[in-house]
Amino acid sequence: DAGVIQSPRHEVTEMGQEVTLRCKPISGHNSLFWYRQTMMRGLELLIYFNNNVPIDDSGMPEDRFSAKMPNASFSTLKIQPSEPRDSAVYFCASSRQGLNQPQHFGDGTRLSIL
Amino acid sequence: QKEVEQNSGPLSVPEGAIASLNCTYSDRGSQSFFWYRQYSGKSPELIMSIYSNGDKEDGRFTAQLNKASQYVSLLIRDSQPSDSATYLCAVKDDKIIFGKGTRLHILP
Repeated sequence: DAGVIQSPRHEVTEMGQEVTLRCKPISGHNSLFWYRQTMMRGLELLIYFNNNVPIDDSGMPEDRFSAKMPNASFSTLKIQPSEPRDSAVYFCASSRQGLNQPQHFGDGTRLSIL
Repeated sequence: QKEVEQNSGPLSVPEGAIASLNCTYSDRGSQSFFWYRQYSGKSPELIMSIYSNGDKEDGRFTAQLNKASQYVSLLIRDSQPSDSATYLCAVKDDKIIFGKGTRLHILP
């Protein structure tokens, strides 16, 4: 079975540019999560969706960040405008709904904002 | 603020010995507990889950949960150099919260 698929794997862009990260969850998983990981702050939950509906976006750092899930098989995380402090690895994860269901992570997008 | 605490390490353990990784959490309502392994430059990978007090064994791995003490641990028996990684503890109630991880280094 295919795992969580993220693209691009690496992104280098100049500050001020728009960045769009993409995620395809595992088929049959109805919860999707976006994380940011840095050395200083560890793995931070940005937002998660259940059945394509955003449930908790309290981790989104500011209005420059937005996320959408137009259907069960696709989600995007957008940063506009990007800043150097947004440089991090961004992970998408998916799970079946339920307390006992673990999350499965994609390979991540390594983002560098110059 | 719900918190999950782990010693950042590095924890150095000789090959063949038992590695013991610990995690404490603040939310008494937490229901599910997970251990993830993350190799450098890779994504977190689920290795153990535990939901009730006591021990759960899977191969060389044993997860231990004590809800009264708000404590969960991971034991790795017969440690191998390939076990060298960062281990993330995750605690779930209404949403999942990750600790910052413990770096484990197995000495050949």
